[in-house]
Amino acid sequence: DAEITQSPRHKITETGRQVTLACHQTWNHNNMFWYRQDLGHGLRLIHYSYGVQDTNKGEVSDGYSVSRSNTEDLPLTLESAASSQTSVYFCASSRLTGDPYNEQFFGPGTRLTVL
Amino acid sequence: AQSVAQPEDQVNVAEGNPLTVKCTYSVSGNPYLFWYVQYPNRGLQFLLKYITGDNLVKGSYGFEAEFNKSQTSFHLKKPSALVSDSALYFCAVRGSVRDDKIIFGKGTRLHILP
Repeated sequence: DAEITQSPRHKITETGRQVTLACHQTWNHNNMFWYRQDLGHGLRLIHYSYGVQDTNKGEVSDGYSVSRSNTEDLPLTLESAASSQTSVYFCASSRLTGDPYNEQFFGPGTRLTVL
Repeated sequence: AQSVAQPEDQVNVAEGNPLTVKCTYSVSGNPYLFWYVQYPNRGLQFLLKYITGDNLVKGSYGFEAEFNKSQTSFHLKKPSALVSDSALYFCAVRGSVRDDKIIFGKGTRLHILP
């Protein structure tokens, strides 16, 4: 069955370290998204991509970067981790670019703790 | 600018009673509206969506939602709640402009009391 996976599921790191969170989907979806979930804020969009070599900044992109070298993967990199980036991170994908009513499919999440 | 509001942080309902989780929105143009559910330690799962047409939309697990354009609302409903419906529910909206992105509400925690 097609799916979307994230790794690692849990990560503890130290302030200032570079961290990369992986996201892999097997639906062949064009669109991929990264969100962070924090109490009182719901889900906030970090970065998104509408296809290979396409990346765009979301609402809370400072301190994060992404790259899209193939359809299946959208890794999220924290360049220099900060305690404010302690959160649960969700990757999501959806089918067609420019198709506003396609629902998103979410991964299981990565819980990141920055000490 | 787009926005979505879920006015209740938590809703408590007795098992077997009808439930409603409220959502209001603001977009330019026609709205595309979604409900998602999140169980503990899981990602969000799609429940239902409104695109156009019938104002009452039926979705997974017996849930339905009613689109009300005049009140800019999209409340989630279920006629008879189950304990297993206890979860975190998110309303989301997207406008019809090409560059619009989905905006999620802050979530409403639903507790179904046995």
